[in-house]
Amino acid sequence: EAGVTQSPTHLIKTRGQQATLRCSPISGHTSVYWYQQALGLGLQFLLWYDEGEERNRGNFPPRFSGRQFPNYSSELNVNALELEDSALYLCASSLGAQGQETQYFGPGTRLLVL
Amino acid sequence: AQSVTQPDIHITVSEGASLELRCNYSYGATPYLFWYVQSPGQGLQLLLKYFSGDTLVQGIKGFEAEFKRSQSSFNLRKPSVHWSDAAEYFCAAPSTGNQFYFGTGTSLTVIP
Repeated sequence: EAGVTQSPTHLIKTRGQQATLRCSPISGHTSVYWYQQALGLGLQFLLWYDEGEERNRGNFPPRFSGRQFPNYSSELNVNALELEDSALYLCASSLGAQGQETQYFGPGTRLLVL
Repeated sequence: AQSVTQPDIHITVSEGASLELRCNYSYGATPYLFWYVQSPGQGLQLLLKYFSGDTLVQGIKGFEAEFKRSQSSFNLRKPSVHWSDAAEYFCAAPSTGNQFYFGTGTSLTVIP
């Protein structure tokens, strides 16, 4: 069974540009989560999507947005990139929307903003 | 809402020695607790999880963790560490809105 996949593995952008990160959940999983892991800041929750709807978002500005497609894959968009957006972005998926569901993580997309 | 803390930022052990990584939690009801491992530049891999029942949980790669309600702890253990265990270890618990709250992580160095 394939795990969570993310693309691209690395992304280099300049300040002010937009970045799009993609995630495919484990087959059968309906919930997708996005986390940011920036140096010195630990793992911070960004967004949760389930059944195509945004269910929760962390303490991030509106320029961080995303969506979930009918096949449950997801896209994270970061507009007006800032230097501090440089981080590893991790996607996770879970079988359902119960709070205690195990989250399985992908390998991440490393975003570098110059 | 649950939260977790990992008191140790960095731990160094000799290969073959035993390992214990600490995790303390705060909770409102029955806790759900997880341990993940992250190798350099990689995503997070689930080691084990506790939902209820047996307080000693077995995971992958020879790891185990013991839930102790009296101490509010969920420490990760391994009887004999291998060089490949060098990584960052995170304790986690689900919080409001399905977000996982992660500890700050413990970096493990294994010396030969």
